[in-house]
Amino acid sequence: AQSVTQLGSHVSVSEGALVLLRCNYSSSVPPYLFWYVQYPNQGLQLLLKYTSAATLVKGINGFEAEFKKSETSFHLTKPSAHMSDAAEYFCAVSGGSNYKLTFGKGTLLTVNP
Amino acid sequence: GAVVSQHPSRVICKSGTSVKIECRSLDFQATTMFWYRQFPKQSLMLMATSNEGSKATYEQGVEKDKFLINHASLTLSTLTVTSAHPEDSSFYICSAAHPGNKNFVAFFGQGTRLTVV
Repeated sequence: AQSVTQLGSHVSVSEGALVLLRCNYSSSVPPYLFWYVQYPNQGLQLLLKYTSAATLVKGINGFEAEFKKSETSFHLTKPSAHMSDAAEYFCAVSGGSNYKLTFGKGTLLTVNP
Repeated sequence: GAVVSQHPSRVICKSGTSVKIECRSLDFQATTMFWYRQFPKQSLMLMATSNEGSKATYEQGVEKDKFLINHASLTLSTLTVTSAHPEDSSFYICSAAHPGNKNFVAFFGQGTRLTVV
């Protein structure tokens, strides 16, 4: 079984500041981890994924995440926030290649001018 | 990335009627599709897994007679909400995957906002 905990339902940053969205997971099998972004009334767009290769994963729009097995974490970061980054972010885990995702509760990112 | 199209994007229906939502993979063959439900300001909850040509597998607590899923072709899965009630109002999202691609990524549709009045 898998589960995901996203710490902080709402994160607010200033434009140009570092973005850090936290995600911890539990999994009974080696996990595959994902970050998705959702804009209002839209589906989910994949930002990046970890599938047992490099632990530091770079994604789209300048985002990256690091898989830390010892901490069971997969935090999402971006060095400098843009206004367009304001959205809901979901961390998700799957138990390998079954494509069945378990999502965290999401973190709403607000970017202030 | 691959494209998954979901239709309609919004639908309003009367209580007691049925609504069909389509999920299409436009540029790849999706042997497996997933249906999720998202309540306002909440996460996505998996409802069922749909495999082409076979019966869907429903998650615990999901009424299979209420949420009918059909995956008759490699590019189309449908979710029919039968005898809809206001509590069925929600955002429904599908995702599609082709395990043979080995990219381990399921691609999501745009979602359907269902409002039952």
